[in-house]
Amino acid sequence: DAKTTQPPSMDCAEGRAANLPCNHSTISGNEYVYWYRQIHSQGPQYIIHGLKNNETNEMASLIITEDRKSSTLILPHATLRDTAVYYCIVRKETSGSRLTFGEGTQLTVNP
Amino acid sequence: NAGVTQTPKFRILKIGQSMTLQCAQDMNHNYMYWYRQDPGMGLKLIYYSVGAGITDKGEVPNGYNVSRSTTEDFPLRLELAAPSQTSVYFCASWGTGSYGYTFGSGTRLTVV
Repeated sequence: DAKTTQPPSMDCAEGRAANLPCNHSTISGNEYVYWYRQIHSQGPQYIIHGLKNNETNEMASLIITEDRKSSTLILPHATLRDTAVYYCIVRKETSGSRLTFGEGTQLTVNP
Repeated sequence: NAGVTQTPKFRILKIGQSMTLQCAQDMNHNYMYWYRQDPGMGLKLIYYSVGAGITDKGEVPNGYNVSRSTTEDFPLRLELAAPSQTSVYFCASWGTGSYGYTFGSGTRLTVV
């Protein structure tokens, strides 16, 4: 699976959009971009995933560049409860293929 | 629908003791995984299973054993506990049609 690079930490004001970048320059054509988050020692939680089109669900939006070498997770109106470590993971979409976690980005939402 | 249930939530072991961390899921997922997370670090895969009777090693399998006799259960066995195994252990599952892994709430293990 391709390696990802994320900033170690970011801050965001409550109510503003949080934009979390991820670089995956070695991604291959059959690899998806997944985002998970981990709120203070809880189990990671799936947020969203995509292949090449932008995706949106009730939690977030995922913007993938046209060359697929980078992506951005957008939390449109961050709340204090969004403070967490966010992991960007690239994974082949084969049945049950393993998730490999990096260090992620610690997002702190400030009041 | 409970999802993934891990027991116990906390445990303190003495060096050399053994224990089994329990993981059960009620979603009929074929795939199950054990991760460990050391303080301030990302998760590392210990073992995984693609179905009952089938298991395989992940990145950091030394000092651990697993079994998968049923679809629902995937226990992790620690033999001869060492301080280096002090960590938080997460179990996860995935099934066809699922968007992402479902994780349990973790077992915090301290070896002293």
